[in-house]
Amino acid sequence: GEDVEQSLFLSVREGDSSVINCTYTDSSSTYLYWYKQEPGAGLQLLTYIFSNMDMKQDQRLTVLLNKKDKHLSLRIADTQTGDSAIYFCAETRSGYSTLTFGKGTMLLVSP
Amino acid sequence: DTAVSQTPKYLVTQMGNDKSIKCEQNLGHDTMYWYKQDSKKFLKIMFSYNNKELIINETVPNRFSPKSPDKAHLNLHINSLELGDSAVYFCASSQDQASGNYEQYFGPGTRLTVT
Repeated sequence: GEDVEQSLFLSVREGDSSVINCTYTDSSSTYLYWYKQEPGAGLQLLTYIFSNMDMKQDQRLTVLLNKKDKHLSLRIADTQTGDSAIYFCAETRSGYSTLTFGKGTMLLVSP
Repeated sequence: DTAVSQTPKYLVTQMGNDKSIKCEQNLGHDTMYWYKQDSKKFLKIMFSYNNKELIINETVPNRFSPKSPDKAHLNLHINSLELGDSAVYFCASSQDQASGNYEQYFGPGTRLTVT
């Protein structure tokens, strides 16, 4: 299977919370990242979490990490139409700086 | 000021041609990268490069060669372009951190179309 897996699509209504899930296989993952890609644009780093942390909150964003299950999630509170984009989960592994990406989750927010 | 810039933004060329994509970062970072995003939006590392080391993804054909004239620039040269090279190529950079946190900052991408 893939090193980093994500569900491909999520649709929510404006004002609801969105939860995007990610699983990874490598136990040597050190940092896990969430990137956002809007149509026709580059990747924007949203947030990251160190592998010995369980949770990180940054304004509307909450990252939860279950290291035992190798499961990462990104919760977006009060989702807005401007949050519509593709969200990529990514990891770095001990000793390596390169990112291994998931295939991305397309979030569609409807009014 | 743009942190990571790439030129050109769009590149249309014919099979068999040789082309280059340029990348510059003004963040003072130590390491630069090239990623390829295919038509299904899948992103994969091609190269990472810093002053000390070039790390090549073994799945990248040797028609692709990174060239770094200095720490702020990492160009990508592609020989004998093929249809399958059509993709969006992203440059990124990061600062080496003792913590192992390699926050990478991405350029806007170069959309390469090979006809």
